[in-house]
Amino acid sequence: KAGVTQTPRYLIKTRGQQVTLSCSPISGHRSVSWYQQTPGQGLQFLFEYFSETQRNKGNFPGRFSGRQFSNSRSEMNVSTLELGDSALYLCASSSFPGQLHGYTFGSGTRLTIV
Amino acid sequence: QQQVKQSPQSLIVQKGGISIINCAYENTAFDYFPWYQQFPGKGPALLIAIRPDVSEKKEGRFTISFNKSAKQFSLHIMDSQPGDSATYFCAASTGNQFYFGTGTSLTVIP
Repeated sequence: KAGVTQTPRYLIKTRGQQVTLSCSPISGHRSVSWYQQTPGQGLQFLFEYFSETQRNKGNFPGRFSGRQFSNSRSEMNVSTLELGDSALYLCASSSFPGQLHGYTFGSGTRLTIV
Repeated sequence: QQQVKQSPQSLIVQKGGISIINCAYENTAFDYFPWYQQFPGKGPALLIAIRPDVSEKKEGRFTISFNKSAKQFSLHIMDSQPGDSATYFCAASTGNQFYFGTGTSLTVIP
């Protein structure tokens, strides 16, 4: 059974650019969540999608957005990149929202802003 | 309000020693308490989990101790090895809502 797949694994962008990250959940999982993790920091919740609808959103500026497709794959977009956006972006999937059973993380996308 | 409080933030243990990480919660509706292990550059992975109807669960060198009355649970790593060096997260779930602790960075010195 394939795990959660995040692409790309590494990305380098310059300030002011925008970036799109992709997450393919485990087959059958319909809920996808995104987290930002900076060195020494915990998991900062970005947003959660279920059935193509955003259910929850963390305390991040509007530059951070996401969407989910009918096949449950999700994308996250960050516009007008800032140096502080450099982080490991993690995606996690589960069968249903708020369900920690079977909650599985991807390996993340390491985003570096220069 | 932080639903799950985790301590310490960082921990350094000698090889062969016992590593102990603690978490406390407030919501008595929580009924599932997992621990996740995260290596640098990787996503967190489920390590071990417990439900409140048992006081202890052991898997190899990893043990969860659960104290329902104190609303606390802890992860014990026996005979800690350098390969255990990672960040550990606790979590608590009600079934339709969950919260993560802030993480503990464990370093095991050879």
